[in-house]
Amino acid sequence: DSGVTQTPKHLITATGQRVTLRCSPRSGDLSVYWYQQSLDQGLQFLIQYYNGEERAKGNILERFSAQQFPDLHSELNLSSLELGDSALYFCASSFRGNEQFFGPGTRLTVL
Amino acid sequence: EDQVTQSPEALRLQEGESSSLNCSYTVSGLRGLFWYRQDPGKGPEFLFTLYSAGEEKEKERLKATLTKKESFLHITAPKPEDSATYLCAVQGAAGTASKLTFGTGTRLQVTL
Repeated sequence: DSGVTQTPKHLITATGQRVTLRCSPRSGDLSVYWYQQSLDQGLQFLIQYYNGEERAKGNILERFSAQQFPDLHSELNLSSLELGDSALYFCASSFRGNEQFFGPGTRLTVL
Repeated sequence: EDQVTQSPEALRLQEGESSSLNCSYTVSGLRGLFWYRQDPGKGPEFLFTLYSAGEEKEKERLKATLTKKESFLHITAPKPEDSATYLCAVQGAAGTASKLTFGTGTRLQVTL
């Protein structure tokens, strides 16, 4: 158990819908990262937050957004969902920005 | 742009048959090279961090080494429970971001 929690574990929704994925980092970690893992592309970095502020963006679509709250939990919002958004979404956290510890993931299926 | 290439894509070993997984990388200033283990449908599990060429880390049957261009994950006398996908990732020194760039992994199967 890494200490990072993610909810929900599974999410099934339809195209065009909007969903919110939630992540709680390990106790004491200030950085939260979101990654997408699909079968054909491996793990891709989406976005990083540090202590409530956006620190870096990867290839995150404009339909996706995230935020980190004062209690350091983070939410990833995915809107206007398409079939191709089906993937595993992982959250990771770190203290000093080196080792990242991953949560169990949210499996998103868009029908 | 940071890049990571892992080989082989898949590896099948018999129990006790040692081997090595390769991770080649290009990065503008290496802050760290990371190895993770991932079981199907689970999150990556942190194994090692290597920071500079010549560094080695060991954990049970696994040993990671680092050169200026590549890293190896040596598996000595593997057991079936070592079956998993092994992921390599790099963290570059550019800017303040500490994102990881991952390879696509080596899928290891260890049979009796």
